[in-house]
Amino acid sequence: DQQVKQNSPSLSVQEGRISILNCDYTNSMFDYFLWYKKYPAEGPTFLISISSIKDKNEDGRFTVFLNKSAKHLSLHIVPSQPGDSAVYFCAASGSFGNEKLTFGTGTRLTIIP
Amino acid sequence: GAGVSQSPSNKVTEKGKDVELRCDPISGHTALYWYRQSLGQGLEFLIYFQGNSAPDKSGLPSDRFSAERTGGSVSTLTIQRTQQEDSAVYLCASSLGGVTANSPLHFGNGTRLTVT
Repeated sequence: DQQVKQNSPSLSVQEGRISILNCDYTNSMFDYFLWYKKYPAEGPTFLISISSIKDKNEDGRFTVFLNKSAKHLSLHIVPSQPGDSAVYFCAASGSFGNEKLTFGTGTRLTIIP
Repeated sequence: GAGVSQSPSNKVTEKGKDVELRCDPISGHTALYWYRQSLGQGLEFLIYFQGNSAPDKSGLPSDRFSAERTGGSVSTLTIQRTQQEDSAVYLCASSLGGVTANSPLHFGNGTRLTVT
């Protein structure tokens, strides 16, 4: 049972344009969400997070939006740069820490120069 | 400072053999996780250690898999009688304490296990 779903396995975006990566979840007990970025032969690195008390969190070129009623979150990257080409994983957790992260299957983002 | 260190980085083993994978977490991190990523798949949770609490073993796929964490630091994941379906990248991660806004997981580069 896939509790965190990334339905787009790949996405190609022109350099300078906006990249939008989507994620859906089914467990209503999730209330902390993270995005990780992974390059080949490296472990995932933390990118940005959001808790359920917010609907938006911004960090430089990266913004995460959360729609709790739709159980949907998205990551916006603007402007997209060639170095953003990687696999992006959405992850979710319960509250108060001490909870394992449940990951989606990832979306491979390719930025076209 | 040093990140999460995993060894070996690559391991090729014959079907039926036992393997041990090692993880050195970031100093001071009380939480340690093992995940694996099979080809074309997402990250699959295996086991979670938090301080002196009993580990959450709910993700271990069979009783051939076990893990321990000695002295609250180094962890070893052991796979007995390896099977070809065990081939994957095994990732270790640590955090200050569970998953909170101030302590995201920090991952190592993984051990790529190939069972022939």
